[in-house]
This record gives sequence, C-alpha cells and structure tokens, in this order.
Amino acid sequence: DAGVIQSPRHEVTEMGQEVTLRCKPISGHNSLFWYRQTMMRGLELLIYFNNNVPIDDSGMPEDRFSAKMPNASFSTLKIQPSEPRDSAVYFCASSYNTGTGTGELFFGEGSRLTVL
Amino acid sequence: GDSVTQMEGPVTLSEEAFLTINCTYTATGYPSLFWYVQYPGEGLQLLLKATKADDKGSNKGFEATYRKETTSFHLEKGSVQVSDSAVYFCAPDENPGSSSASKIIFGSGTRLSIRP
Repeated sequence: DAGVIQSPRHEVTEMGQEVTLRCKPISGHNSLFWYRQTMMRGLELLIYFNNNVPIDDSGMPEDRFSAKMPNASFSTLKIQPSEPRDSAVYFCASSYNTGTGTGELFFGEGSRLTVL
Repeated sequence: GDSVTQMEGPVTLSEEAFLTINCTYTATGYPSLFWYVQYPGEGLQLLLKATKADDKGSNKGFEATYRKETTSFHLEKGSVQVSDSAVYFCAPDENPGSSSASKIIFGSGTRLSIRP
C-alpha cells in the first residue's frame, strides 16, 4: 500500500519566492497534519484538517503561510514570500479517526526546504 | 493545552545496555500516549502506544507503561542494538475521546546512539 506521499523531497529557492509543498494522504484517512522540523524548535504542528476542514491553524507562523485541502486526497502548504528562517523539513501526516481521537499518525518522508 | 517533557539527549549507550528515556506530560484529562521513532532521513513512525492508565505498550523489545499517578510514560528496552539508533518522540493525544482529530504535540525528541 502506498504511504503518505510528499513532493518535492528537496527544494532550494531564493528568499522572496513562492514555495508550494504537496501531500497525498493515505487513501481512506480522514485527518491530515502538517508539521515543521528544525534543530532549534523540534517538531512543530502547523495546522491540521479533519474531513478536509481546517480544525486548528494556530501553529502557522504568520500570514506568509497558508494551507489548503481541496479534497480528501490532496493538500498543499504554501509559503509566500519565503524567508531563510523558513528552511526546515516539512512533514505531512495522515490518520484515520474512528471517533476515539486521532489514532496512529502515518508520516510522509518529508520535504526539505532551503531558502537562500 | 497538554504538554510533554522528554529527557534531553543525546543519549549514547553501548550495545546490549539497558535503555530508559523519560517522558512526563501535563493534561487536563486522560490522554492516550504514544512513542514515535524517527530513523535518519525518514518521517516518524509509531513505536508503541497506551490508551489508559496502567496500560503497557510494547513493540520491538521496547515497553512503556502509562502511569497516571506520576503522569509519566517512560520508554524502556532491556538490551539495545545498533539498529535502535534514532530519535524518539513522546506524544500525548490530548483528546482521545474526540469524534474528530485532535492535536498531537510532540516532545522535543531524544537522540539515541548505540555503539557496537
């Protein structure tokens, strides 16, 4: 079975450019999470969706960040304009919520973003 | 909201040594508790979990017991191997009874290195 698929795996861009990260969750999963991982701040929750609806975006750093989930099989995280401090590994994770909490999270391999 | 405190790393042990990684949490209710592991260059994956007090989660020789009285979920393994070298994350599900997804906030992670 295919796991969570993220693209691109690596992106190098220049400050001020728009960055779009993509995620395809596991088929049948109804919750999707975006995390950011850096050495300094560890693993931070940015936003999560349930049934394609954003539930909590309080972790989104600022207005330069936005996330969408237009359907159950696709989500994007956009940074515009990008800054060097956005350099990190961005993880997408999905889960199947059965009415007893989030359950096991399945992570993608991450998108490593470098902003010069 | 809930929070979690993990033992700071890095932890370096010799092969076959006994391992303990401490994790304590604060919660208003009774969260489900998880340990995730991240191998180099990969996303996180579930190692074990416990959903109620006194439950013991176990997998791959690792164990952790949900201690409500001390709000702890320490990870243990009797004899570590080189292949256990990874970063370990403790995480509570703050609302396990929710009908929709709830926040999963990860601890800071503990890097474990095992010497042959």
